[in-house]
Amino acid sequence: QQQVKQSPQSLIVQKGGISIINCAYENTAFDYFPWYQQFPGKGPALLIAIRPDVSEKKEGRFTISFNKSAKQFSLHIMDSQPGDSATYFCAASGDYKLSFGAGTTVTVRA
Amino acid sequence: GAGVSQSPSNKVTEKGKDVELRCDPISGHTALYWYRQRLGQGLEFLIYFQGNSAPDKSGLPSDRFSAERTGESVSTLTIQRTQQEDSAVYLCASSFTGRGGYTFGSGTRLTVV
Repeated sequence: QQQVKQSPQSLIVQKGGISIINCAYENTAFDYFPWYQQFPGKGPALLIAIRPDVSEKKEGRFTISFNKSAKQFSLHIMDSQPGDSATYFCAASGDYKLSFGAGTTVTVRA
Repeated sequence: GAGVSQSPSNKVTEKGKDVELRCDPISGHTALYWYRQRLGQGLEFLIYFQGNSAPDKSGLPSDRFSAERTGESVSTLTIQRTQQEDSAVYLCASSFTGRGGYTFGSGTRLTVV
């Protein structure tokens, strides 16, 4: 039973465009929502994270939007660059265990 | 060390053999996790260690899987009598507090033939 549902499975965006990845969860005990970026052959790396007391968090070109009532959160990558091509995972946690989405492969075309 | 170190990076084994995977966490990180990543899928929780507390083994898929950790240092994940469905990347992560902020290693890619 997947506790975090992520979409789309993959997306292609032109350089300079916006990439949007969506996640939904059911467990209302979740209180920590990170996004991880993974390049081939590497482990996932923490990109940005949010807690449910804020609706948006921005770090550089990466923004998390959080909708507590809808139990949804999303990652926006602004001005997408070829170096952003990677797999992105959303995750959620209410304790020490992270539940991961299935991942989104983002390809940025030059 | 500066990051989480895992060895070997790749392992090919014959079905039915035992394998041992190693993880060296970041010094000072009390929490250590093992996750499994099957091709094209998300990460599946296997086991969690926090200091000297009893580990959370709830994610181990069968009794062929076991893991140990000595204090707050190295951990080993052992898979006995490997099966083809065990083929995956096994990722180790450590964390200072056990709440978010994981740092992952690069993983061990296990192929069972």
